[in-house]
Amino acid sequence: NAGVTQTPKFQVLKTGQSMTLQCAQDMNHNSMYWYRQDPGMGLRLIYYSASEGTTDKGEVPNGYNVSRLNKREFSLRLESAAPSQTSVYFCASTVGGGQGEYFGAGTRLSVL
Amino acid sequence: TQLLEQSPQFLSIQEGENLTVYCNSSSVFSSLQWYRQEPGEGPVLLVTVVTGGEVKKLKRLTFQFGDARKDSSLHITAAQTGDTGLYLCAGERGDYKLSFGAGTTVTVRA
Repeated sequence: NAGVTQTPKFQVLKTGQSMTLQCAQDMNHNSMYWYRQDPGMGLRLIYYSASEGTTDKGEVPNGYNVSRLNKREFSLRLESAAPSQTSVYFCASTVGGGQGEYFGAGTRLSVL
Repeated sequence: TQLLEQSPQFLSIQEGENLTVYCNSSSVFSSLQWYRQEPGEGPVLLVTVVTGGEVKKLKRLTFQFGDARKDSSLHITAAQTGDTGLYLCAGERGDYKLSFGAGTTVTVRA
């Protein structure tokens, strides 16, 4: 059972380039999330999808877009990468009801 | 400004000692969760507490949710080197979203 799978694991971009981070879960969870983690700041929510067909902004959505492709997959797109988007990105999913979130291993992104 | 304040930010202790990590807020949460994260990996859920005053024990780890559901603590008894990691608390306010604290880095020395 893979849980939450993120690709790629590492990525280096130049300022202005675009890319899509992929996330898939095989636990039949309704809700999925994208976070970024920066030193000393914990995890900050970028976007989330409470259920298939819905997406909403989190705490730090500027510069990002998301797509809930189906119940399993939730992608995060950077249209024009900036150095401030250098971070570690985590995807998570949950069945809901305060049951806790399951996280992927993360994507380490550097924007030069 | 973090919705959840964790203290201390860093904690270094000798194997066998006890430690407590605190998570405080002025907001009320419907549930509070604790995660542990190791370098290069994603956070892993340790426990969820949902009732004010609730105490949960997982082997040497004891979690408490405050009566007013605004704060929580994690206590580790007789710490082991395997307890080393980043401990994160996260609160849910019933809107599908978690707010995370900045984390406490725990180092247990052999």
